[in-house]
Amino acid sequence: GENVEQHPSTLSVQEGDSAVIKCTYSDSASNYFPWYKQELGKRPQLIIDIRSNVGEKKDQRIAVTLNKTAKHFSLHITETQPEDSAVYFCAASINNNDMRFGAGTRLTVKP
Amino acid sequence: NAGVTQTPKFQVLKTGQSMTLQCAQDMNHEYMSWYRQDPGMGLRLIHYSVGAGITDQGEVPNGYNVSRSTTEDFPLRLLSAAPSQTSVYFCASSFDGKQFFGPGTRLTVL
Repeated sequence: GENVEQHPSTLSVQEGDSAVIKCTYSDSASNYFPWYKQELGKRPQLIIDIRSNVGEKKDQRIAVTLNKTAKHFSLHITETQPEDSAVYFCAASINNNDMRFGAGTRLTVKP
Repeated sequence: NAGVTQTPKFQVLKTGQSMTLQCAQDMNHEYMSWYRQDPGMGLRLIHYSVGAGITDQGEVPNGYNVSRSTTEDFPLRLLSAAPSQTSVYFCASSFDGKQFFGPGTRLTVL
C-alpha cells in the first residue's frame, strides 16, 4: 500500500516568517493530496488539497506544490501567525480511496 | 446539520471486553472511514466503506470489525479489547476526497 513520509516532525518559526513542510509518497498512482490541520484536542480539518493534474495551488497565505516525477509535495505557509500553531498532516490517496497520512508536523509560531 | 457525530467521547475498557464505537453522518456521503491516532504516528486507516453494504480493510484492520447497513451509520466493533488498542479513534465521511472528521473517541484499555 501507499506509504507517506513527512518532514520535519517539529518546526518552530518566528511570527511573520514562512514555514515549509514536505511529504513524499511511494505509489505513483496516487492522485489526490490533501493537507489537514489539527489543533490541540480537536479534530483534523482540511486546509488545502491538490490533485495530480495541477502543480501548485494557493489559498491566501497557504500554498501546496506537487512534483509528480519526484513523488513529493509541500505545504507553504507565509507570514505565519500564532494561530497557525498546530499539527499538520499530509495525505495521499488513489481516486479518493484508502487515504494514507503522514506522521504529522508540529508547527510552533513564536510571537 | 450535525455533520459527523461519534459516541462515546471517552471509554475505558478492560482487556478482553468488547464494545462498539458509533459514527453517524447526515451529509449523505457515500464514503466513510475509521482512523486511529497514536502519538507520533499520525492517522492510520482501520477500515473504510465506499457505500452501504461495502467495506474494505485499511492499514491496521486487525482486531476491528465494521459494517455499513445504511449510508448514515458506520459502527466500529472491538471484538476483544487489548491494551494496544488504547488510542483516539476518528470517524470521517468524505465527498470528492475531502474528509470531514468526527470529534473523536478516546479509548483506554486496561
